[in-house]
Amino acid sequence: DGGITQSPKYLFRKEGQNVTLSCEQNLNHDAMYWYRQDPGQGLRLIYYSQIVNDFQKGDIAEGYSVSREKKESFPLTVTSAQKNPTAFYLCASSPRTYYEQYFGPGTRLTVT
Amino acid sequence: GNSVTQMEGPVTLSEEAFLTINCTYTATGYPSLFWYVQYPGEGLQLLLKATKADDKGSNKGFEATYRKETTSFHLEKGSVQVSDSAVYFCALTDLKETSGSRLTFGEGTQLTVNP
Repeated sequence: DGGITQSPKYLFRKEGQNVTLSCEQNLNHDAMYWYRQDPGQGLRLIYYSQIVNDFQKGDIAEGYSVSREKKESFPLTVTSAQKNPTAFYLCASSPRTYYEQYFGPGTRLTVT
Repeated sequence: GNSVTQMEGPVTLSEEAFLTINCTYTATGYPSLFWYVQYPGEGLQLLLKATKADDKGSNKGFEATYRKETTSFHLEKGSVQVSDSAVYFCALTDLKETSGSRLTFGEGTQLTVNP
């Protein structure tokens, strides 16, 4: 089955620790994206990548970092510089830049 | 810049009622329009899409028509079910956007259907 996997589903960390969220897709999509969703709110774009070894900042990139070493993988690191990291994080991919995006199941990160 | 405005929620309906969720947009180019649905604790699923003016997207009894003259893409369903309870997001992507690929989302509308 083709799809997008995010792991883990729930993640707990202490304040001051970096944490990496995994996103893998086997859809052979070129573009991948990371979004943040806070309760009762829409989605905000953190980073996106249109090709391997290239990525661009979205609207709220501060305190986050990404890499795109393989087409199928786009991990997101939430650093200790992110002031309010507790949120639901969604990864998405699309076959081309302006096509519809397909989403993974999300990772809920709680930092205390 | 691009923006999407959805009707404020939450929306509460009885089973078999008619559903309309309003969505209007502002875009500089020629956007494609989407409706996504999010069930509790899950990611977003693409519900339907339309890529040019007057296109009608449809799926699972839901429909939306791309109206360029009113810059709207309202979601409708003739008879909702309890299983339709979810959050619905309207979104657009602009084919002429030069700053890179992104979806612009509305704030989402929570729908609750009671038996």
